[in-house]
Amino acid sequence: GAGVSQSPSNKVTEKGKDVELRCDPISGHTALYWYRQSLGQGLEFLIYFQGNSAPDKSGLPSDRFSAERTGGSVSTLTIQRTQQEDSAVYLCASSPDGAFAQPQHFGDGTRLSIL
Amino acid sequence: SQQGEEDPQALSIQEGENATMNCSYKTSINNLQWYRQNSGRGLVHLILIRSNEREKHSGRLRVTLDTSKKSSSLLITASRAADTASYFCATDPQGAQKLVFGQGTRLTINP
Repeated sequence: GAGVSQSPSNKVTEKGKDVELRCDPISGHTALYWYRQSLGQGLEFLIYFQGNSAPDKSGLPSDRFSAERTGGSVSTLTIQRTQQEDSAVYLCASSPDGAFAQPQHFGDGTRLSIL
Repeated sequence: SQQGEEDPQALSIQEGENATMNCSYKTSINNLQWYRQNSGRGLVHLILIRSNEREKHSGRLRVTLDTSKKSSSLLITASRAADTASYFCATDPQGAQKLVFGQGTRLTINP
């Protein structure tokens, strides 16, 4: 079946602009995660959605970052007034439910470059 | 700070040799996972080991977990050029409700 799909794969924008990143999880997966990966680094947790529960936003670095998940499926991560330090790869993952004793399935990410 | 720390940060070996990567963590965990990431791609799950397990095998992969030392190792036997990638450990700390990833080991297999 189809894996996790992210779009766009690359995004270049000017400092101060808003960007939207999209994630299509695996069909039927109720848990969805966003991570940020800076060059050559590990993954930084951003936000976690599980079913209809309130999302865990504890990893969002500032109020310029927000995310929503419509209809329990597609998710959009929005960064407002982008800064150069926002440049990174943004990875989305999904899993069948919110149990952390399960593998997470990752998309190939969106490479965001802020000029 | 990151829960998991991999060692070494980079490893370069000849094809056919074994590769060992280590992961240390700070707090009690429910389970530990290893992932592989090829350049420009997302992470791919390799293996999960629960806190009550000590060793697990999957094909050419062998994972050990020592909860008393808060450490895990990933062994790849008979390495191949296709094993060239970054390898990350991810822990599920008790009470944290999230996976915490280490900084990764960059493995290069030379033909």
